[in-house]
Amino acid sequence: NAGVTQTPKFRVLKTGQSMTLLCAQDMNHEYMYWYRQDPGMGLRLIHYSVGEGTTAKGEVPDGYNVSRLKKQNFLLGLESAAPSQTSVYFCASSSQGGIRYNEQFFGPGTRLTVL
Amino acid sequence: GDSVTQMEGPVTLSEEAFLTINCTYTATGYPSLFWYVQYPGEGLQLLLKATKADDKGSNKGFEATYRKETTSFHLEKGSVQVSDSAVYFCALRYYGGSQGNLIFGKGTKLSVKP
Repeated sequence: NAGVTQTPKFRVLKTGQSMTLLCAQDMNHEYMYWYRQDPGMGLRLIHYSVGEGTTAKGEVPDGYNVSRLKKQNFLLGLESAAPSQTSVYFCASSSQGGIRYNEQFFGPGTRLTVL
Repeated sequence: GDSVTQMEGPVTLSEEAFLTINCTYTATGYPSLFWYVQYPGEGLQLLLKATKADDKGSNKGFEATYRKETTSFHLEKGSVQVSDSAVYFCALRYYGGSQGNLIFGKGTKLSVKP
């Protein structure tokens, strides 16, 4: 099992450009999450999904959109990138039940720089 | 609202030293508590967890006890190794909105010198 994978690993954008970050998980998890990690801020939740076709806002959703068309994929979009969105983005997933339902599994991260 | 406060780093220790990273929380109800570890260049991994008061989570020589009376979940290890160098995050599981949402502390960077 690959677990949680993220594409791309690194990206540099100019202000105003758009891009989509892809997260994929092969653990058949119902829940998926997008976080951003900034120095001294810990991880902050951007958006999350409790199942295919559903999404919801987290703590810092402004400037981002998400889609969950397939259970295994969770896409994070930036329509018009801003320098304030320079960050490391992490995707995570978790199961709805079972022994490990409390545990979130994280991807390796995407480092995004907006110039 | 719910929150997690952990000691600021960086923390620098010599190999075989004793480690404590303090974590306190504010929450309504009875949250589950977690410690995650992030090794350089990687994503976060669950280190240990506790789901109710007085539970002790343990893994890889690390342990933490859920103290409801002091709203704390301090991470300890008796003898650290260079390979323990990482960033450690305390987190609580938040029930508002959706099952599974986590609230993280800001992280504590640990460096262990040989």
